[in-house]
Amino acid sequence: AQTVTQSQPEMSVQEAETVTLSCTYDTSESDYYLFWYKQPPSRQMILVIRQEAYKQQNATENRFSVNFQKAAKSFSLKISDSQLGDAAMYFCAYRKGRGRDDKIIFGKGTRLHILP
Amino acid sequence: DAGVIQSPRHEVTEMGQEVTLRCKPISGHDYLFWYRQTMMRGLELLIYFNNNVPIDDSGMPEDRFSAKMPNASFSTLKIQPSEPRDSAVYFCASSFKWDRGPPNYGYTFGSGTRLTVV
Repeated sequence: AQTVTQSQPEMSVQEAETVTLSCTYDTSESDYYLFWYKQPPSRQMILVIRQEAYKQQNATENRFSVNFQKAAKSFSLKISDSQLGDAAMYFCAYRKGRGRDDKIIFGKGTRLHILP
Repeated sequence: DAGVIQSPRHEVTEMGQEVTLRCKPISGHDYLFWYRQTMMRGLELLIYFNNNVPIDDSGMPEDRFSAKMPNASFSTLKIQPSEPRDSAVYFCASSFKWDRGPPNYGYTFGSGTRLTVV
């Protein structure tokens, strides 16, 4: 069974600095998708960034980028120029690429604090 | 599209009462998912539907929980009778099937229902 592990329950970063959130996953599939979701205090789940496993190029969305290491099954999220609005719980997630099993599996989350 | 719509946003009920949570997915989406979020267990998948048909309900905690999707635009999650340990935030999410292509691989979540059973 696929699993997603986030080893950092909480992290803090100074405003305007860069922070990296770690995620590892376990799968025997070769085709899959990885995601980072953000959950601010409003509790809305917001998709931050996605990565297709068949793409070697790391995904980037403005200040958010990932370091996808397929062989190592690692998928870290880098937030540059951290802002107060980035304070939230961040979830790493995995979804199979094909077949009927389209559910997303989430990690336990990392709570990110931004220090002014 | 207005997104995934859940109601109510908050629900407080007494132990033993029946609770019904509602969800309207995004029009055209193939899948609908119900998740439960607690501090201890994180996000747990309870059940999901494909084209209104339940595919996997192995996450439903016990017989007190039931979910239906009578049509493509509406789903309910019912707890009867409710217990204090059911207190959590319940999320509904919907998505296209994977073969619709990017950027459709992720879910769109509703705002959740915070359930408190006293």
